[in-house]
Amino acid sequence: KNQVEQSPQSLIILEGKNCTLQCNYTVSPFSNLRWYKQDTGRGPVSLTIMTFSENTKSNGRYTATLDADTKQSSLHITASQLSDSASYICVVSSMDSSYKLIFGSGTRLLVRP
Amino acid sequence: EAGVAQSPRYKIIEKRQSVAFWCNPISGHATLYWYQQILGQGPKLLIQFQNNGVVDDSQLPKDRFSAERLKGVDSTLKIQPAKLEDSAVYLCASSASRDHTYNEQFFGPGTRLTVL
Repeated sequence: KNQVEQSPQSLIILEGKNCTLQCNYTVSPFSNLRWYKQDTGRGPVSLTIMTFSENTKSNGRYTATLDADTKQSSLHITASQLSDSASYICVVSSMDSSYKLIFGSGTRLLVRP
Repeated sequence: EAGVAQSPRYKIIEKRQSVAFWCNPISGHATLYWYQQILGQGPKLLIQFQNNGVVDDSQLPKDRFSAERLKGVDSTLKIQPAKLEDSAVYLCASSASRDHTYNEQFFGPGTRLTVL
């Protein structure tokens, strides 16, 4: 069964600190993996998209890694800001006829001053 | 470039009532998606349109949910009659579908539905 699991469910960190969010998936056949940021009351916004051959991709203070062998990904946030408070959703695309997206439940991050 | 538009942003109804949501995708995007996001969970695909045809509606509760995209542009999602468990955020997304490898989906702000 295609699944995406994220950990931790929630995280609280102090402003300026770094953090890492984890994602494990069992999606096959794999097309790509993406991380979305979802602010409260808004739709998800794409941060990074990685295909099978990409190990790491950065978007400002966000760096995503992908290990296609172990089917794991991480999202590292450097020097956190209050505006980073949001849910971060790991999404894996399956290479089926409709390239369906399989969503994780998200990690809810709260950055405190 | 304007984003995906949705209305209304919030809706409160009583169970067994009907409700409709509207979505206008990014101009030129052929593929449109409706998702249901229950609090604390990731979005779940309800239906996917390619132009005005349905690609995937396997998770749409067809006894009460319906959706249409008659002219291949904007779309409506209807619930009739609503149940308590339908309380969720309904997200609309669109993609250009030119590159299946990336299939970048752009999401609207969502409609928060509360069923009392």
